[in-house]
Amino acid sequence: AQSVTQLDSQVPVFEEAPVELRCNYSSSVSVYLFWYVQYPNQGLQLLLKYLSGSTLVESINGFEAEFNKSQTSFHLRKPSVHISDTAEYFCAVRPIQGAQKLVFGQGTRLTINP
Amino acid sequence: DGGITQSPKYLFRKEGQNVTLSCEQNLNHDAMYWYRQDPGQGLRLIYYSQIVNDFQKGDIAEGYSVSREKKESFPLTVTSAQKNPTAFYLCASSIGTHGNTIYFGEGSWLTVV
Repeated sequence: AQSVTQLDSQVPVFEEAPVELRCNYSSSVSVYLFWYVQYPNQGLQLLLKYLSGSTLVESINGFEAEFNKSQTSFHLRKPSVHISDTAEYFCAVRPIQGAQKLVFGQGTRLTINP
Repeated sequence: DGGITQSPKYLFRKEGQNVTLSCEQNLNHDAMYWYRQDPGQGLRLIYYSQIVNDFQKGDIAEGYSVSREKKESFPLTVTSAQKNPTAFYLCASSIGTHGNTIYFGEGSWLTVV
């Protein structure tokens, strides 16, 4: 079985400041890792994913996440945030073998203040 | 446009009534999923289907039922046996297995009064 822990339920930051949203996971098997973003009253959109290869993955809007196998972490970072980044962010894992279903963390609400 | 369509967006029902949420996708995806979202709890898997005419229970299947008669459709019925049905319900789909991205619909709000 898998579990995902997002260490912060809420993260307030000022515009143009850097941010890190933390994600740790537990799994007895190898997993793929994902970050999704949810804007108010909408579904989830894929932000980025790690399947294999380079442990640093990037999104088109400036976010990046690094897979750290020894620490079982997949933290999300952005060097300079914008008001439009205000949303809820979900970390998720999915086993490479076996049942193909996502297991989510509880979410982190990112609030950007002007 | 290709995508996942959930309907209705908002639904109110009286306690004790069954209600069915629709999910249709035109992405030609094999796998479909239903998740429930509650504040502070993330998303929890209700049911999933990897192929037509087959589906499996997720982590919180009690009080729900599904069918998968067509590849593009995966309706969810919230029955009167579901003790706390008020929630945001998200349908999703993916091509199949092995790391393929899971795409989500816009969600349906169900309020039981």
